[in-house]
Amino acid sequence: EDKVVQSPLSLVVHEGDTVTLNCSYEVTNFRSLLWYKQEKKAPTFLFMLTSSGIEKKSGRLSSILDKKELSSILNITATQTGDSAIYLCAVVPPSGGYQKVTFGTGTKLQVIP
Amino acid sequence: DVKVTQSSRYLVKRTGEKVFLECVQDMDHENMFWYRQDPGLGLRLIYFSYDVKMKEKGDIPEGYSVSREKKERFSLILESASTNQTSMYLCASRRRDTALEQYFGPGTRLTVT
Repeated sequence: EDKVVQSPLSLVVHEGDTVTLNCSYEVTNFRSLLWYKQEKKAPTFLFMLTSSGIEKKSGRLSSILDKKELSSILNITATQTGDSAIYLCAVVPPSGGYQKVTFGTGTKLQVIP
Repeated sequence: DVKVTQSSRYLVKRTGEKVFLECVQDMDHENMFWYRQDPGLGLRLIYFSYDVKMKEKGDIPEGYSVSREKKERFSLILESASTNQTSMYLCASRRRDTALEQYFGPGTRLTVT
């Protein structure tokens, strides 16, 4: 069964710190890896990664996929209190089949002033 | 702008009641999903549907059923609500056979007393 593991489970940092969140997966094959941010409501989409070694960037957030290591990282630089959220990682299966997206349990990030 | 809506944001029901949670998407997506989210357990898939009238059990289908009579609408039914079904319920949809992300609804926080 496909499995996605995120680490750490939770993290507390001070404003201005840089954080790195990890996502590792045990899937035989996948089409894309997704990152979401969830505050007190539904998850909102951050990044989609399909190719190894290519960094996706949006402001202070960036992410990269390492297919050799079966992992992805999400970096947040100069953290702000508004970055406090649960960050979810998910893998999208290859074509065919039932198209079930597998989510990790998430990393809870708290940024304190 | 893509949109997934859910019938209620907050719901309080009594043990034994039949509960309907409805989800509507306006993106003509083939795949629709129901998840529950509990602290420490992440997103767990209850059921998903890959076409009208087609459904597949997810990881935790016990105590739930679903209905998909129209492409845009996916309903989750709790036949006889129990206190252990108190949770946040999230609906999502995505286009089949793509690498693209899932879009989530705002969630329904259900409390069963």
